[in-house]
Amino acid sequence: IAGITQAPTSQILAAGRRMTLRCTQDMRHNAMYWYRQDLGLGLRLIHYSNTAGTTGKGEVPDGYSVSRANTDDFPLTLASAVPSQTSVYFCASSFVAGNTGELFFGEGSRLTVL
Amino acid sequence: GQNIDQPTEMTATEGAIVQINCTYQTSGFNGLFWYQQHAGEAPTFLSYNVLDGLEEKGRFSSFLSRSKGYSYLLLKELQMKDSASYLCASQKEDYQLIWGAGTKLIIKP
Repeated sequence: IAGITQAPTSQILAAGRRMTLRCTQDMRHNAMYWYRQDLGLGLRLIHYSNTAGTTGKGEVPDGYSVSRANTDDFPLTLASAVPSQTSVYFCASSFVAGNTGELFFGEGSRLTVL
Repeated sequence: GQNIDQPTEMTATEGAIVQINCTYQTSGFNGLFWYQQHAGEAPTFLSYNVLDGLEEKGRFSSFLSRSKGYSYLLLKELQMKDSASYLCASQKEDYQLIWGAGTKLIIKP
């Protein structure tokens, strides 16, 4: 079944540790996104990529980095995790960037930083 | 500025109709999205409005008034499976989305 796969689904992490959340899509979508979702707040864009080889900063990029070496993969790295990065992280994709239309979301990665 | 508001929680009865409102202030407004998110799951797309008026899709309809900065999602013939959070998101001219915090809809038998 086509879609977006995120890993891990859940992780508890000590503060200061490095962590990479993986995201893979098999829909050949050009654009990919990383959001975080916190209770009482809307989804907030961390980083995005309009096409393979390019990335951009979203609303809350500090403390996070991404890469887009190919169309399918879009990993999110926390270089040195802090408790405020405790959140649910969603990867999403769309066929094209701009006039995004429908976003397709992965099932989320729940991250707890202690 | 960029702002989007929707009620935190609503309760409705199975079989009834419910309207979930969303107001937005978005510079360079370029469309309004509604997504459904069941607890512990990913958001899924429901509707997109860019022109004024009502878009009907089965039991769900979405309305937009650009002049008023207002949208609503109308759910008819409510079913228990409609219990979920409903996320409103406005699209800016650069195609990035500003998301509301979501409205948790509780359906009672």
